[in-house]
Amino acid sequence: EIVLTQSPGTLSLSPGERATLTCRASQSVSSDYLGWYQQKIGQAPRLLIYGASNRATGISERFSGSGSATDFTLTISRVEPEDVAVYYCQKYGSSPITFGQGTRLEIK
Amino acid sequence: QVQLVQSGAEVKKPGSSVRVSCKASGSSVTNYVISWLRQAPGQGLEWMGGIIPMFGTTNYAQTSQGRVTITADESTSTVHMTLSSLRSDDTAVYFCARGFGEVPGAMFFYAYPMDVWGQGTTVIVSS
Repeated sequence: EIVLTQSPGTLSLSPGERATLTCRASQSVSSDYLGWYQQKIGQAPRLLIYGASNRATGISERFSGSGSATDFTLTISRVEPEDVAVYYCQKYGSSPITFGQGTRLEIK
Repeated sequence: QVQLVQSGAEVKKPGSSVRVSCKASGSSVTNYVISWLRQAPGQGLEWMGGIIPMFGTTNYAQTSQGRVTITADESTSTVHMTLSSLRSDDTAVYFCARGFGEVPGAMFFYAYPMDVWGQGTTVIVSS
C-alpha cells in the first residue's frame, strides 16, 4: 500500500501570502492519478486538482498542482479567508485508494 | 446538476448492521464509479470500496473485506452500503462519491478521482 505523507501538519498564513502544501508518497505514483481535495468544517471534501496539475471545474486559478513520482505540491498563490480548510492529497489509479493525513490551513 | 443525497444519521448497537443509501439526482449512477468513504471524528479520509452499476463490478479495501457490501439499484439511481458486525471504531461520517468520468469499462475502476460527493451520514455505534 502506498502511504502518502503530507506536510506541514498546520500552515498559518496571512491573507495574500503564498501557501505551499506537500505530499510525499512512499512509492512512485503516476502523475495521472494524484489528486488534491479541500474539506471545510462540516462539509464533504471538494475536488481541487486531478492528474497532479489539472484544476477541477470551477476551481480558482489561485490553486495549482505540480510534481511527479514521489513528491507533489499544491500551491495557493494568494490565500484568502475562505481557504481555511483541511487539504488532502489522494492517490487513485490502483487499489487501494489512499489519502494523506491532511494539512490544516489557518488564516492569521 | 448532479447531486448525491444520502440517508439520515444512524445510531446502532455493537454487533449490528447499518445500511446507508446514496441517491443520485440530475444524473444516473449507471456508468460511473460510486465509492464509499468514511471519516472518523477528527481523522482523515478512508476509502472503503465502490461499485460500477453498469458492470456490476465491486471492489473493496482490504480493511473492509468481509464486512462491507455495496449494491446498486439502477432503477432508482441509488447505491447502498451495508456495514456489518459494527464496532465502536466504526463511528464515523460516511460519504458516497462519484467518479469524475463515465467509465468505459470495468478495468477503469480506479482511474478517476471523486468529483461529486454526498453530504455525509453520521453513524454512531454505541451500547
